[in-house]
Amino acid sequence: AQSVTQLGSHVSVSEGALVLLRCNYSSSVPPYLFWYVQYPNQGLQLLLKYTSAATLVKGINGFEAEFKKSETSFHLTKPSAHMSDAAEYFCAVSGGTSYGKLTFGQGTILTVHP
Amino acid sequence: DAGVIQSPRHEVTEMGQEVTLRCKPISGHNSLFWYRQTMMRGLELLIYFNNNVPIDDSGMPEDRFSAKMPNASFSTLKIQPSEPRDSAVYFCASRPLAGGADTQYFGPGTRLTVL
Repeated sequence: AQSVTQLGSHVSVSEGALVLLRCNYSSSVPPYLFWYVQYPNQGLQLLLKYTSAATLVKGINGFEAEFKKSETSFHLTKPSAHMSDAAEYFCAVSGGTSYGKLTFGQGTILTVHP
Repeated sequence: DAGVIQSPRHEVTEMGQEVTLRCKPISGHNSLFWYRQTMMRGLELLIYFNNNVPIDDSGMPEDRFSAKMPNASFSTLKIQPSEPRDSAVYFCASRPLAGGADTQYFGPGTRLTVL
């Protein structure tokens, strides 16, 4: 069984500040981990993914995430927030024999203040 | 590439009516997923197809829901009869291969409102 916990349903930062969105996972097998972003009234778009290569993964729009097995974490960061980063972010896990079924976290809404 | 195409984008219907949602996956993708998104339950996987064959429909809420994939370029999700609690955004996603590391590409969604 797999699960994802995103700590904080809402995160608010100032423009130019560090963005940190937290994700912890549970998986009985080596996981594949994903971060998706959803802008209002749109579908989900892949930001980045971890597939057992480098533990520090770089994605689009300046985001990156680090896989830490010992902490079962895959937190998403961006050094400097931009107004256009305001969206909802979803962490997801897949792996094992479940054909790559994605299990999503509940999402974190990021607000960026001027 | 046009991406995953869903229609309609918005659907408003009355309780008891039949609703059909449509999805065209990205050409060449072998796997297709239907998800439902609500405030209360978040993103839920309803059903998964691989090479047009339903593999896992354990997420389908009840017999009122059915999904088909008659060919590699088209899938439908039908609700009959619809109920107010079915109001949600329904997403279709496709993936190139049946592997867990592969990216799922999402459509824009269909916002369903059942009155």
